[in-house]
Amino acid sequence: EVHLVESGGGLVQPGGSLRLSCVASGFSFSRTWMTWVRQAPGKGLEWVAIIKENGGEKYQVDSVKGRFTISRDNAKNSLYLQMNNLRVEDTAVYYCATGSDFWSWGQGTLVTVSS
Amino acid sequence: DVVMTQSPLSLPVTLGQPASISCRSSQSLAHRDGHTYLNWFQQRPGQSPRRLIYEVSKRDSGVPDRFSGSGSGTDFTLKISRVEAEDVGVYYCMQHTHWPPWTFGQGTRVEIK
Repeated sequence: EVHLVESGGGLVQPGGSLRLSCVASGFSFSRTWMTWVRQAPGKGLEWVAIIKENGGEKYQVDSVKGRFTISRDNAKNSLYLQMNNLRVEDTAVYYCATGSDFWSWGQGTLVTVSS
Repeated sequence: DVVMTQSPLSLPVTLGQPASISCRSSQSLAHRDGHTYLNWFQQRPGQSPRRLIYEVSKRDSGVPDRFSGSGSGTDFTLKISRVEAEDVGVYYCMQHTHWPPWTFGQGTRVEIK
């Protein structure tokens, strides 16, 4: 059974940083694209970033370019999202999901950016 | 970027009755490899999203057969043949033919009348 467990969310001031983690199990992590999707309170789903199997290719939504970095450690079955220069509009639940077609999702971690 | 437009945004339905959600894309989702990469997700209240349908019409494991997907090109539909109480939630379409970015529809809220 696939398990994705996100952590690292919390309350941070505008301009601050957070690092999200997602630990995966139940599938071949090193052979799977991994992605981050977020959902602002009461809003819809927004793709944030994706990383290919070996980490060699990464893509991000324009609104986070230059601020967020997606990475992975296949030896630890872990996915990361380093978020710098956070803005109020980054407030959301952040989900990790599997593959380029998002076939399985974690439970999410809440990031709140507020002064 | 491909824009995904769902309708309606709110769908009150009677238990046991059918429901239909439309999703339209701003350009054709037919990939040159012959596949059409259009997914449907369900998000029940307080839960994470769950994929229901991939490549327009293929149901994920464990998804009841009352859910079906259809469509081609720019016009797609998710149908629930007989709505049950557990189907309450928000449904999203998403395309991954033309990326980046991966793009979702706004979501359609299904509620019981």
